[in-house]
Amino acid sequence: DTAVSQTPKYLVTQMGNDKSIKCEQNLGHDTMYWYKQDSKKFLKIMFSYNNKELIINETVPNRFSPKSPDKAHLNLHINSLELGDSAVYFCASSQPGYTGELFFGEGSRLTVL
Amino acid sequence: TQLLEQSPQFLSIQEGENLTVYCNSSSVFSSLQWYRQEPGEGPVLLVTVVTGGEVKKLKRLTFQFGDARKDSSLHITAAQPGDTGLYLCAGESREKLTFGTGTRLTIIP
Repeated sequence: DTAVSQTPKYLVTQMGNDKSIKCEQNLGHDTMYWYKQDSKKFLKIMFSYNNKELIINETVPNRFSPKSPDKAHLNLHINSLELGDSAVYFCASSQPGYTGELFFGEGSRLTVL
Repeated sequence: TQLLEQSPQFLSIQEGENLTVYCNSSSVFSSLQWYRQEPGEGPVLLVTVVTGGEVKKLKRLTFQFGDARKDSSLHITAAQPGDTGLYLCAGESREKLTFGTGTRLTIIP
């Protein structure tokens, strides 16, 4: 029974396309995140939601739009994909506040051709 | 922007050897976490240190938080192939978690 699950695990698409990645957590956590891990394995936060409300929005292009229909789900939609968007995107969840443990999904590897 | 530099970036050693990974910053953190990430998976928390000078042990792994809460180290004794992975430190400040640059550790049997 996976705690944080994301789909799809792999995504290959052409430049200019629009794609979505879905994330669900069954841990009962209030806070969910999207992180981007580049080819050098650097992990950088993109967005954070607490109980469906956006609380962190790092310097991310407007082409990236998160949506949280309820506190157990946080989806990421990307418009007009660019080559530089190729990365592994991780969803994570935690209890309120950052002192708690982050529980990560397995990641979604996006390749833009 | 808070930066957490980890060193070394890559480390490949023989099974049974000892090693230390460093995590350094010019910023002060309220707490510091260490994660391990294996290929194709997300990072998994190993430990959280909160108090300056704190030392925590997890079997053969020893974690230390610097007195000034700006740096941390991870020492592994008698490394095993199962220790292979990407080690990430992450500092927490004002409810924001910043990850370090990562150390890729390979233990050779």
